[in-house]
Amino acid sequence: DTGVSQDPRHKITKRGQNVTFRCDPISEHNRLYWYRQTLGQGPEFLTYFQNEAQLEKSRLLSDRFSAERPKGSFSTLEIQRTEQGDSAMYLCASSLVTGGADEQFFGPGTRLTVL
Amino acid sequence: AQSVTQLGSHVSVSEGALVLLRCNYSSSVPPYLFWYVQYPNQGLQLLLKYTTGATLVKGINGFEAEFKKSETSFHLTKPSAHMSDAAEYFCAVSERNFGNEKLTFGTGTRLTIIP
Repeated sequence: DTGVSQDPRHKITKRGQNVTFRCDPISEHNRLYWYRQTLGQGPEFLTYFQNEAQLEKSRLLSDRFSAERPKGSFSTLEIQRTEQGDSAMYLCASSLVTGGADEQFFGPGTRLTVL
Repeated sequence: AQSVTQLGSHVSVSEGALVLLRCNYSSSVPPYLFWYVQYPNQGLQLLLKYTTGATLVKGINGFEAEFKKSETSFHLTKPSAHMSDAAEYFCAVSERNFGNEKLTFGTGTRLTIIP
């Protein structure tokens, strides 16, 4: 068990550029979540996948954001035409569905800075 | 809708003293409740969770929390603080269902231990 990994750990970009983040969950986990954490706040839910299906998206996820989980393994989160307000820590978590209160295991996050 | 309020964004205690971090929640259905800890440059780590049954829940590193339905609270305690407990702590709630178990987090409490 190597845990949840995220890449890159840090990303600095200019406003208007596109960025893509990757999350590799724990291998047997079938559920994958994306959260966003801004300074001084707790993480906020963005979207989640059950295997390869994206089942819910938060209203926080504007149409500039897109997430995929091909083949139900790793996931990518892309932000198009980045804005300064997108600067945040993007967290990925994975879990194994067992029927309730499943523990979500978090990765270290990708810190995005939009200049 | 569910929400979490953590009273006190910063808490300082002396080494060896009692740690008490406060959390109140709001949920339209019986909740699952969690405490996570976040060390610098690391992912969130689960300390403990409440699902059903015994209202006093014991977690890792000597922490425990008590679910009080009448007070809608889930305060985190540790009898004797250690320097290694310095971190940010997040209380979270999720709804009981077999679909999206997204976590709703509080804004966090930064715990400082005074030598």
